[in-house]
This record gives sequence, C-alpha cells and structure tokens, in this order.
Amino acid sequence: GAVVSQHPSWVICKSGTSVKIECRSLDFQATTMFWYRQFPKQSLMLMATSNEGSKATYEQGVEKDKFLINHASLTLSTLTVTSAHPEDSSFYICSAPRGDRVYNEQFFGPGTRLTVL
Amino acid sequence: RKEVEQDPGPFNVPEGATVAFNCTYSNSASQSFFWYRQDCRKEPKLLMSVYSSGNEDGRFTAQLNRASQYISLLIRDSKLSDSATYLCVVPRGRNTGFQKLVFGTGTRLLVSP
Repeated sequence: GAVVSQHPSWVICKSGTSVKIECRSLDFQATTMFWYRQFPKQSLMLMATSNEGSKATYEQGVEKDKFLINHASLTLSTLTVTSAHPEDSSFYICSAPRGDRVYNEQFFGPGTRLTVL
Repeated sequence: RKEVEQDPGPFNVPEGATVAFNCTYSNSASQSFFWYRQDCRKEPKLLMSVYSSGNEDGRFTAQLNRASQYISLLIRDSKLSDSATYLCVVPRGRNTGFQKLVFGTGTRLLVSP
C-alpha cells in the first residue's frame, strides 16, 4: 500500500530556533499534501495545504510566516517552524491523497513530535 | 452544529461486547465519510470508508443516514486490540479533487479482559 514518511519522528529544540519537518510520499506522487497539528487530547487540526509548484494555502489563524511550507517536488513537502516557542510544541502530521484511489484516500505520515524548551 | 461532532468518551467495554459510536456532520453536500483509528501517540489509520448507506468489513459496520446527517460505527465482538481512539472524518467542501478533511474530536474505546 501507499506509504508516507516523515522526518524526524521527534525533535527537541530551544526556544527561538527553527525546525524543519519533511514529509515524503514513498511510492506515489503527491501534488498536494496536507499538514496537521494535534495538541494533547485534541483532534487533528488542518494547518495548511501544500501544493507542488505553487504557494501553500493556510487555514484561518495559521501564520504563514511562522509555518513555512515548501513543496519542492512531487514526493516531498517540508514544514519549517520558525522561531519556535513552547506553545508550538505539538504533534505535526502530514497526509497525502492518492489520486488513483476512490475519493482520493489520504495516507498519513507517522507524525513528528516537537518539543520546544 | 459543529462541522463534525462525536460521542464523548471514553467507552469502557468488556471483551466480546458490541459497541457503537455516533457522529453528526454539518456539510450536507458531503458524499464520502471516513472512520479512522488512532492509537496513542501515533498517526491516524483509515478503518473504513462510507460512500453510500453503509459499509461492512468483518466485525466493523459503518452506517450513514444522510437525512439526519449522521454516521455510526458498530464494532462487534470487541477485542483488546480494538482499544484506541476512533475519529469520524468528513471532507469539507466540494466532492471533487483533493479534499480537506475535518476530524471529529474522537471517541476513546477501552476494551478490558
């Protein structure tokens, strides 16, 4: 089946630093990928839609200058959390829909757990 | 009405029990619906898709009531390994192209011996 990978799986950083998270579709091409954030005991919240070859679109309330998204190729999207602060600590998950599946079934990466000290 | 609303949990059931989760949604134009399973500190995994009135896969049955904008998930003969959080997921917007997914808050199931 389709596989989506994320790297790193967890990261601890100091406040004020930037962190890059990679999302890769391993056996299919993904022109669109989605980035989600999940705080403890809450559900996944969509942050942005990553589009290969064009700018990402952000959900209301998500700062585009803080969460930089680059969809560099048909299999890779990156999310950079700039000047991270403790409130950015969360579980970040990407997903990629597969166009040849019924209703574009989405496959999720294993997630990246970010802790900002 | 919230975009997606689920039964609050947790549901504590013994092994072998039958348990049902409910979910209501607000987007009347939605044509497809999903139940995902999420284990603690893991990513969601697709459990079932629902496109018409319902879908059955082994011990799992999902039913859709479009008039009431209501989806349910029934688990028969619960196993210890069914313990997880079950997420009701509804696409937002048009039913063409790649759709943004709206996740419910999830219902936690705990199956005990």
